[in-house]
Amino acid sequence: DAKTTQPNSMESNEEEPVHLPCNHSTISGTDYIHWYRQLPSQGPEYVIHGLTSNVNNRMASLAIAEDRKSSTLILHRATLRDAAVYYCILRDEGFGNEKLTFGTGTRLTIIP
Amino acid sequence: DAGVIQSPRHEVTEMGQEVTLRCKPISGHDYLFWYRQTMMRGLELLIYFNNNVPIDDSGMPEDRFSAKMPNASFSTLKIQPSEPRDSAVYFCASSAAYNSPLHFGNGTRLTVT
Repeated sequence: DAKTTQPNSMESNEEEPVHLPCNHSTISGTDYIHWYRQLPSQGPEYVIHGLTSNVNNRMASLAIAEDRKSSTLILHRATLRDAAVYYCILRDEGFGNEKLTFGTGTRLTIIP
Repeated sequence: DAGVIQSPRHEVTEMGQEVTLRCKPISGHDYLFWYRQTMMRGLELLIYFNNNVPIDDSGMPEDRFSAKMPNASFSTLKIQPSEPRDSAVYFCASSAAYNSPLHFGNGTRLTVT
């Protein structure tokens, strides 16, 4: 599986935008970039995913570099409820590659 | 939609006892995954099923672990005999299709003394 590299931890102020980076220099052409987050005492939660183009949904935006070797998850206005561990995962979405392999993620702390 | 339901939420047992964890996936989802989370090893995939059939059990630690999915709405993960190193949070997840996001339950926290 292609690997991702994320900072162990980040801090951000409440109501400010947050940019969570992810490096994936060995990404293959069929790998989608997925982001999940895990709030305290809960299971992981899907946030967003994309292949080449930037993506937006109600939770966040995903900005993907032109060479696809890095990406950034953007929380436009952080709240205290966004404090969580954020996982960047590469997933080949071909049939037979259903596994989702989690790394260590980035622990995001929101400062009131 | 009730989401993925796991039971029990907490389980405390003594070493050597049998433990059974249960999972009800989201109705209509074809895939079911069992994960284990510890501080040391993070989130590890143990096994996953497609249409009730086990597809990949390479993450199951050893023969003491077994998982079944007798029908589309129920799965169990059994540990027999349990050991203190099995203490972890066990998550079940389901997804609608091979390229769909996973939906996780709230987990079962297992403590083996």
